[in-house]
Amino acid sequence: DTGVSQDPRHKITKRGQNVTFRCDPISEHNRLYWYRQTLGQGPEFLTYFQNEAQLEKSRLLSDRFSAERPKGSFSTLEIQRTEQGDSAMYLCASSSTRAMRGDGYTFGSGTRLTVV
Amino acid sequence: GENVEQHPSTLSVQEGDSAVIKCTYSDSASNYFPWYKQELGKRPQLIIDIRSNVGEKKDQRIAVTLNKTAKHFSLHITETQPEDSAVYFCAASVFGNEKLTFGTGTRLTIIP
Repeated sequence: DTGVSQDPRHKITKRGQNVTFRCDPISEHNRLYWYRQTLGQGPEFLTYFQNEAQLEKSRLLSDRFSAERPKGSFSTLEIQRTEQGDSAMYLCASSSTRAMRGDGYTFGSGTRLTVV
Repeated sequence: GENVEQHPSTLSVQEGDSAVIKCTYSDSASNYFPWYKQELGKRPQLIIDIRSNVGEKKDQRIAVTLNKTAKHFSLHITETQPEDSAVYFCAASVFGNEKLTFGTGTRLTIIP
């Protein structure tokens, strides 16, 4: 386990379709975060989990977005009825509660979503 | 919520010269300020960070300074090299809140 893994790396979907992304954090990390990054912008926070509990959700996360981390290990992010505005890079990150807040964030390589 | 502004958006410097990127934040409760480097098509990677109990931190050619009163912090890269070319993001975190608020990024180009 050398880092945060995200799958798939790229996803092209038609508008209106549902998509699901997966994130596998570093195994000893109990915190997992989802961010969205559009071209030319910094990552924007979407949601985060501590173990299996979803502790915070951004208002950016509309009702079409849902995230889960059922066993406190991997997480999935689902987008229903995709819109062209959902096109972005979806980044996952993980960290450990043993680190100070924000410390030790390790990002995955992201899933690039294109809605056509 | 927290708002982080970053300047400049692009920066070109001659190889060997220094580069400085500046960020300001709005929430005085923020106490953790990391800097990330993102190369094209790759993940953001933490290069240095600073906590509010110190004013400066250095790691080889990279240094970060923090002015809590003015609510701004800066990244300094000395003796720049071509491999320093990338997009750099600053971020801020509020104590007790896990999320990072990022700046809009600075595209740094090192001219050989």
